[in-house]
Amino acid sequence: KAGVTQTPRYLIKTRGQQVTLSCSPISGHRSVSWYQQTPGQGLQFLFEYFSETQRNKGNFPGRFSGRQFSNSRSEMNVSTLELGDSALYLCASSLVIAGGEQFFGPGTRLTVL
Amino acid sequence: GQQVMQIPQYQHVQEGEDFTTYCNSSTTLSNIQWYKQRPGGHPVFLIQLVKSGEVKKQKRLTFQFGEAKKNSSLHITATQTTDVGTYFCAGSTGNQFYFGTGTSLTVIP
Repeated sequence: KAGVTQTPRYLIKTRGQQVTLSCSPISGHRSVSWYQQTPGQGLQFLFEYFSETQRNKGNFPGRFSGRQFSNSRSEMNVSTLELGDSALYLCASSLVIAGGEQFFGPGTRLTVL
Repeated sequence: GQQVMQIPQYQHVQEGEDFTTYCNSSTTLSNIQWYKQRPGGHPVFLIQLVKSGEVKKQKRLTFQFGEAKKNSSLHITATQTTDVGTYFCAGSTGNQFYFGTGTSLTVIP
């Protein structure tokens, strides 16, 4: 079974721009969660999607949004980028919501200049 | 708000020594998971604990879930250089996972 894939792997943007990250879950997994990982803050939960609906949301500003498609693939969008948005963005797929083993993708390393 | 604290933040051990990381939640958890992230890698699931007082072992790793389901620990016996990485706990309240801050383990050969 193929693992979780994320594209792109690396991204460099400038302040004020917007970015879209993509995540393809493991086949059969309907839950996709997004996390932001920074050296100082650890793993911070952004949101979780299940069956195309956002089920849970972390404490991030509205500049961070996401969606899930009928094939369970998910995208995350960050608008009006700030320097502090530089981080590793990880997505994880799971069979169930907030209760099962999460399979993480390799992440997208976003650098905001 | 919900918080999951993990200590210590960093730990350096000589190869062969034991290692323990502790995870504490401000509220009762429905379950707790442990993940390992190697340097430059992504978190990889190790185990899930669900029952109060549960203890599970994986070779040299021992995982415990507290009686009150608010704390957990991971103990590694006789560390090896392959144990290097950051260990995260992730507590679930049923609505979402709250990751601990992680413990970075360095094993000195």
